[in-house]
Amino acid sequence: AQTVTQSQPEMSVQEAETVTLSCTYDTSENNYYLFWYKQPPSRQMILVIRQEAYKQQNATENRFSVNFQKAAKSFSLKISDSQLGDTAMYFCASKQGGKLIFGQGTELSVKP
Amino acid sequence: GAGVSQSPSNKVTEKGKDVELRCDPISGHTALYWYRQSLGQGLEFLIYFQGNSAPDKSGLPSDRFSAERTGGSVSTLTIQRTQQEDSAVYLCASSRTGDLQGKLFFGSGTQLSVL
Repeated sequence: AQTVTQSQPEMSVQEAETVTLSCTYDTSENNYYLFWYKQPPSRQMILVIRQEAYKQQNATENRFSVNFQKAAKSFSLKISDSQLGDTAMYFCASKQGGKLIFGQGTELSVKP
Repeated sequence: GAGVSQSPSNKVTEKGKDVELRCDPISGHTALYWYRQSLGQGLEFLIYFQGNSAPDKSGLPSDRFSAERTGGSVSTLTIQRTQQEDSAVYLCASSRTGDLQGKLFFGSGTQLSVL
């Protein structure tokens, strides 16, 4: 079965510092998409960043960037200048057929 | 509405009863997804509708679970003879296309508690 693995159940970071969340995946597709979603206490999932596998350049969205290592099937999320509002669950996901397969999530706490 | 709407936001039921969970996707979105999130767990795929195609039901955990999407819009997830292990947050999402190049928009979920 194709899987997405997040090996860090919980992480914490001081405000204004940088943190990296890890994700590995397995897929048999040649072209695919990878995603990071954020889930605050409101439960509503919010797309943080998206990477297309055929693009070598790492995606960036303001303070969020990814380190995409295609050969290693690794897709980590870096959050720079962490803010209190970044506190949430973060889920890595990969496209499998027509649907997204999610990892187990990493609970990130940003401390003042 | 502007976003994906789910109702009810919370549902408490007794073991053995049937429940229906509703999802109103964003207007014009052709793809609709149901996921289940158990306490402290990731999102488990349940079912996926894309336009008029037959739905992908590969994630439904048992025949007690079913879903329909009427008129390509509103969807209802039905759980028959609920069990305690069905307690979870049920999330619905929609997207403008079914190929996942587009962004998924999620609702706030229904918290189901089976006593």
